[in-house]
Amino acid sequence: AQSVTQLGSHVSVSEGALVLLRCNYSSSVPPYLFWYVQYPNQGLQLLLKYTSAATLVKGINGFEAEFKKSETSFHLTKPSAHMSDAAEYFCAVLKGSQGNLIFGKGTKLSVKP
Amino acid sequence: DSGVTQTPKHLITATGQRVTLRCSPRSGDLSVYWYQQSLDQGLQFLIQYYNGEERAKGNILERFSAQQFPDLHSELNLSSLELGDSALYFCASSPQTGGAEAFFGQGTRLTVV
Repeated sequence: AQSVTQLGSHVSVSEGALVLLRCNYSSSVPPYLFWYVQYPNQGLQLLLKYTSAATLVKGINGFEAEFKKSETSFHLTKPSAHMSDAAEYFCAVLKGSQGNLIFGKGTKLSVKP
Repeated sequence: DSGVTQTPKHLITATGQRVTLRCSPRSGDLSVYWYQQSLDQGLQFLIQYYNGEERAKGNILERFSAQQFPDLHSELNLSSLELGDSALYFCASSPQTGGAEAFFGQGTRLTVV
């Protein structure tokens, strides 16, 4: 069965610092993996997705994630944090053939000035 | 703006009551997914419809039901409401099933008092 685990419910970084949000997955088949962002009082917006093409996936707003099969990881990074990056980030894996997502519990990112 | 419209944005109702949440998917999208987001359970998949037919079921209670109409909009019906049903309910849509990017609406915040 597919699942994702996000390490750290809350991450705090300084503006300009590296952002690293961790996600590990469990899947018996090659996974489709996603990162979504949720700003306060908003819906979820897709940042990027991995669909078994390139292992380094670039997304919107300067974010990228690397799929590492040996580590069953799909960590999200951004070289330099901006105040506008403060939000909650969700890692998700596609379940089955119908397209519904299994989400991690989310990581709230705070950016200090 | 994702193109997915959910109404109403907020709903306050009493225990034991019944409510209907509405979702209009992006133009051309045939798949509609319903998710529940609560503090204790996180983001959970409830149910999926594709072109009017139920395709997948997640952790949806028997008191909840959904349908997708010929014009592709969908409704989620919640009955015999309990305090624990208070949550943010999201609708998402995608062009088809299986792997396509899902676009989320802004959600309906349901408060049961």
